[in-house]
Amino acid sequence: DAKTTQPPSMDCAEGRAANLPCNHSTISGNEYVYWYRQIHSQGPQYIIHGLKNNETNEMASLIITEDRKSSTLILPHATLRDTAVYYCIVRGNNNDMRFGAGTRLTVKP
Amino acid sequence: GAVVSQHPSWVICKSGTSVKIECRSLDFQATTMFWYRQFPKQSLMLMATSNEGSKATYEQGVEKDKFLINHASLTLSTLTVTSAHPEDSSFYICSASAPGGGNTGELFFGEGSRLTVL
Repeated sequence: DAKTTQPPSMDCAEGRAANLPCNHSTISGNEYVYWYRQIHSQGPQYIIHGLKNNETNEMASLIITEDRKSSTLILPHATLRDTAVYYCIVRGNNNDMRFGAGTRLTVKP
Repeated sequence: GAVVSQHPSWVICKSGTSVKIECRSLDFQATTMFWYRQFPKQSLMLMATSNEGSKATYEQGVEKDKFLINHASLTLSTLTVTSAHPEDSSFYICSASAPGGGNTGELFFGEGSRLTVL
């Protein structure tokens, strides 16, 4: 079973920041939080991951709360091409990734 | 970045036949590969974990005799759907973990293979 909870859908205006929340209240101390996205009929695309510190790369920022029970993925300037299903995943020591339902983000002009 | 390739990207077969899907890591050696299945408008469901040179570990509810997984080399894993039926029609996706990454490294996903069983 997935260890994360995400809202089923969100809308965002083009050019604005998209903030996608994720709850992972049962996360263990050595489990990482990963974010992937999937555009229709394609394989998942890696976005970012982190353990406890906030992370930033060319695609997004990941904000993890101090207690690590939740996180937020931030797409700073959403474009129409960012419309996709975004998955927040807690990855354990056994290396596998189990997907939850994800959030369907729709970026609108 | 690392690339994982699947072949074929789509396949149509008759009920009762077997279909093989290949998953290759093109520029790295993958000791572990994962196979997922995705039905329309649903999330990815982990089917099995494939370790090079050993038997795959199947998730509960996945029939190992129906979904044969072979991971004979560090760059290739295959999934064979045996005696396929229409309910096996789905999007099959593989992923591979670069060596040494553990749970801290990126998991690279293939483009997926869409199977339609008539």
